[in-house]
Amino acid sequence: AQSVSQHNHHVILSEAASLELGCNYSYGGTVNLFWYVQYPGQHLQLLLKYFSGDPLVKGIKGFEAEFIKSKFSFNLRKPSVQWSDTAEYFCAVYNTNAGKSTFGDGTTLTVKP
Amino acid sequence: GAGVSQSPSNKVTEKGKDVELRCDPISGHTALYWYRQSLGQGLEFLIYFQGNSAPDKSGLPSDRFSAERTGGSVSTLTIQRTQQEDSAVYLCASSFGTARVNTEAFFGQGTRLTVV
Repeated sequence: AQSVSQHNHHVILSEAASLELGCNYSYGGTVNLFWYVQYPGQHLQLLLKYFSGDPLVKGIKGFEAEFIKSKFSFNLRKPSVQWSDTAEYFCAVYNTNAGKSTFGDGTTLTVKP
Repeated sequence: GAGVSQSPSNKVTEKGKDVELRCDPISGHTALYWYRQSLGQGLEFLIYFQGNSAPDKSGLPSDRFSAERTGGSVSTLTIQRTQQEDSAVYLCASSFGTARVNTEAFFGQGTRLTVV
């Protein structure tokens, strides 16, 4: 069965620090890749997505992610985090063959002012 | 509607009672997911509907949980004989199915269930 692994359960950073959240998936076929964010008290919303083309995708609020097919990875990055980035981040993989999305367990990011 | 709508937004129920949670997906979305999010936990997959196919029920934690989707649109998640460990936020998401390019999932605000 397809699985999505987010390596860090909880990350604590100071403002202006760089961020990288890991995401690996198990499915070897064609995938669509997503990062979602859930700010405190808000619903889950899309941060960025990859379908095809340039493996480096840019999303909202300065986030970017790189799809490395050989490593089955889609890590999320931001060069300089802000206090307002405090949230829970979920990686998701859509299996185009099965027609179904699978989510990782999430990473809680706390940014200290 | 404009987004995924869930009702009620909050539900407090007594242990042993049955509850029904409703999800109205975005019009035209053939895929519908139910997830559970407990305090401090990630997303726990419950069930997945895709068009007219048999639902993927592999995530339902017990036979007290069931879900249906009528007419390929509205879905209801039913929890029978609720237990305190059922307390969580229940999230619904919808997306286009396999025929579409944009498979982004859109989430509702969730239903916060508290079993007392």
